[in-house]
Amino acid sequence: RKEVEQDPGPFNVPEGATVAFNCTYSNSASQSFFWYRQDCRKEPKLLMSVYSSGNEDGRFTAQLNRASQYISLLIRDSKLSDSATYLCVWRERPNNNDMRFGAGTRLTVKP
Amino acid sequence: ETGVTQTPRHLVMGMTNKKSLKCEQHLGHNAMYWYKQSAKKPLELMFVYNFKEQTENNSVPSRFSPECPNSSHLFLHLHTLQPEDSALYLCASSQAGMANTEAFFGQGTRLTVV
Repeated sequence: RKEVEQDPGPFNVPEGATVAFNCTYSNSASQSFFWYRQDCRKEPKLLMSVYSSGNEDGRFTAQLNRASQYISLLIRDSKLSDSATYLCVWRERPNNNDMRFGAGTRLTVKP
Repeated sequence: ETGVTQTPRHLVMGMTNKKSLKCEQHLGHNAMYWYKQSAKKPLELMFVYNFKEQTENNSVPSRFSPECPNSSHLFLHLHTLQPEDSALYLCASSQAGMANTEAFFGQGTRLTVV
């Protein structure tokens, strides 16, 4: 089984839609989780960290389900500028600095 | 000015050439990384340096040789590469020892091996 499974998409949604991505992980020892965003031909940038209790930042909500070993990202009221690839990212040990990346989910928001 | 700077942005090299990629971070971080991003594949972690010491080498072929002279600079020396090594090479930095700290990336070097 892969370390992480992430639906590659593409997800094509109209402006204003709500869209959700999941990312499942196999290592129950995984400690820290993040969502990164990568625009075409650009470097990845942090979108938000994922906390155990769930967290929200404007139109974006991140959830962690340790029992089922997945994280999710919900985007409400999609904008054209949300079009990008969304990467789930994790760190396996609290003091370990290497971050592992999923393959990414491609989102296109259309007018 | 970006926090993590990579040069060159683009590189085309022959299989017998020797070249180096450079990364510099201006964020005061003490951990630096090299990642490889090939088309339609996840980012692959190649090397990790904590406080200038290499702490991870993810089975990377010896034709890739990292160097970290100080906590602000990281190099990736390349020699006798193969066409399948063509990819985007990304450098990142973070603050070691903090669980939820994010990694900041440079803009990458797009490498083509001919």
